[in-house]
Amino acid sequence: GAGVSQSPSNKVTEKGKDVELRCDPISGHTALYWYRQSLGQGLEFLIYFQGNSAPDKSGLPSDRFSAERTGGSVSTLTIQRTQQEDSAVYLCASSSFGSKSYTFGSGTRLTVV
Amino acid sequence: GENVEQHPSTLSVQEGDSAVIKCTYSDSASNYFPWYKQELGKGPQLIIDIRSNVGEKKDQRIAVTLNKTAKHFSLHITETQPEDSAVYFCAASMGGTASKLTFGTGTRLQVTL
Repeated sequence: GAGVSQSPSNKVTEKGKDVELRCDPISGHTALYWYRQSLGQGLEFLIYFQGNSAPDKSGLPSDRFSAERTGGSVSTLTIQRTQQEDSAVYLCASSSFGSKSYTFGSGTRLTVV
Repeated sequence: GENVEQHPSTLSVQEGDSAVIKCTYSDSASNYFPWYKQELGKGPQLIIDIRSNVGEKKDQRIAVTLNKTAKHFSLHITETQPEDSAVYFCAASMGGTASKLTFGTGTRLQVTL
């Protein structure tokens, strides 16, 4: 596609439920990043994937968070047993090999009630 | 790890005036400094970037300056227009083909008529 696509755009879930957020990067981009943006806050790094290398998971806030990237393309961020503090906008970005220029998607706004 | 501080958090200028946003970083190994603009409901978009071997870079009404010794970098917007109203984020990263960006906390710029 022309840009980074994220789905759903909005998700409301009950506390304790699991959610899956999807990111479809720009075709051919080898790097994929997940960030979290809480209300009025900056962008908090979660995880990134680069080609076939092991992902950098250093930003995941707890073991309830996990992510995978299948076939070097689509990525899914999973949050288990959601808590109210997980409410935020989850942003995905991708970049081409050798580039540090990110292209962001529009994000998934997650609300845990 | 890297820490990026950004100020001011909010900035209001009159149309036609200049706006300056400042950031500092902690890790002297950082060598890439992009600026992103985020409009309401959208993901951040790269507007300009600078690498550590350059002191200043301009693109029409926007410019970025870098002081490696002081570990400061700044965004300058001249002749501001209402469409410049958005949240601006600075970021820093170290070398490598796909290094993660560490973002500042953002500046909400409001250009008034």
